[in-house]
Amino acid sequence: AQTVTQSQPEMSVQEAETVTLSCTYDTSESNYYLFWYKQPPSRQMILVIRQEAYKQQNATENRFSVNFQKAAKSFSLKISDSQLGDTAMYFCAFIAFGNEKLTFGTGTRLTIIP
Amino acid sequence: DSGVTQTPKHLITATGQRVTLRCSPRSGDLSVYWYQQSLDQGLQFLIQYYNGEERAKGNILERFSAQQFPDLHSELNLSSLELGDSALYFCASGKETQYFGPGTRLLVL
Repeated sequence: AQTVTQSQPEMSVQEAETVTLSCTYDTSESNYYLFWYKQPPSRQMILVIRQEAYKQQNATENRFSVNFQKAAKSFSLKISDSQLGDTAMYFCAFIAFGNEKLTFGTGTRLTIIP
Repeated sequence: DSGVTQTPKHLITATGQRVTLRCSPRSGDLSVYWYQQSLDQGLQFLIQYYNGEERAKGNILERFSAQQFPDLHSELNLSSLELGDSALYFCASGKETQYFGPGTRLLVL
């Protein structure tokens, strides 16, 4: 069974600063995908970024980038130039190729301070 | 907008009642997934349907059931409701990447 661990329940950072959210996972699978989802106060689940395990290059989406360390089973999210709209719960999630069931971490509540 | 729609947005009902949540996947997606988000259990996978057939089952109670219709929309039926069933219920569609609907907030009183 897969597990996803987010060890930072809450974080806060000043607007325009950079923040890194941590995520580790445990799996015996070799082919899988990792995701970060954002859940703002509206409670909508919004896909932020995706990483395929077979790709060595770290994924980037505008101000969001990941540091994927496959051997260490680590998948952190870096948010650059943070904005007030980044305030949200952030969930790390795992899916094994061919499984199609997402396993989520417990989330990190991120607050951007004006 | 993810392209996944869910109705209703909010639902308030009493213990012992039955409710039906509805989901329409993104255009072209054959899979529908249901998740429950509660305060004490976090986000839990309930069930997946693919092109009308049940594909995978997670932590879904026997009081809950789902189906996917020929037009690919799905319904999640919750019966004999208990206070602990109060939660946010999400539907998602996609394949390796799942896109979530806005959710249905269920409150059981």
